[in-house]
Amino acid sequence: DTEVTQTPKHLVMGMTNKKSLKCEQHMGHRAMYWYKQKAKKPPELMFVYSYEKLSINESVPSRFSPECPNSSLLNLHLHALQPEDSALYLCASSQVTTAEDYGYTFGSGTRLTVV
Amino acid sequence: GENVEQHPSTLSVQEGDSAVIKCTYSDSASNYFPWYKQELGKRPQLIIDIRSNVGEKKDQRIAVTLNKTAKHFSLHITETQPEDSAVYFCTKAAGNKLTFGGGTRVLVKP
Repeated sequence: DTEVTQTPKHLVMGMTNKKSLKCEQHMGHRAMYWYKQKAKKPPELMFVYSYEKLSINESVPSRFSPECPNSSLLNLHLHALQPEDSALYLCASSQVTTAEDYGYTFGSGTRLTVV
Repeated sequence: GENVEQHPSTLSVQEGDSAVIKCTYSDSASNYFPWYKQELGKRPQLIIDIRSNVGEKKDQRIAVTLNKTAKHFSLHITETQPEDSAVYFCTKAAGNKLTFGGGTRVLVKP
C-alpha cells in the first residue's frame, strides 16, 4: 500500500458543527502532516507529528485540533469554524521523521466548505 | 528566510516546446529540493527531486538544476505535451518542514 487515504473527500459543515477529518497510511511512515490549501495557492503547513507526537504547530487557531492515535492514523478535529476556513485540507506522510530523505506522500485531500 | 520565490506564476507554451520554472530561497538549512505537480482537483505528486550534493538531475523529459551557492534551482520540461498542463510547485525541505513556492500554472497548447 503506497497511498495516503483521506476521508471524507468532501465536507460541508455549519459554523456551530463539530466534525473530524481522517487520514490513514500503511507505509510505515512515522511523520504525518496536515496542510491547508486555498484555491490557486500553495499548501500551507498546519501541523507536524513525529512518532505520534506533535512537533510543529504553525500557530494554527485552536478551532483546529489535531490528534495522532497511532502511527497509521491522523485526525483533524474541527469546531466552530469560520467561512474563511473553507479550503482543501491535505494530509501527508514521510518515510522517516525528516522530509529531507524522500519528501512527502500526499493524500487526495478533503474539500471543506464552511457555511 | 523560510520563503521560496517561484517564477513565473503562469506559463503558456506550445506543445513540443520547453518550459522552465525558476525558484530562489534564502536560508542555508535546506539540502533537499523536491518538485510537485498538482493537476486540477488532485493531490500534489512528487515528480523529481534534487539534493544539495548534486548540481543536475534528469528523468526522461524532466530535469532539475541546483545552484546551492546562488540559492536557486530550476525545473526544465522538454518536448511538452498537453498532459504536462498542471500547477508545479518547487519546495525545499529542512528537517520535517517542507516549504512551497507560490506555484506555476503551466498550460500546454496543442
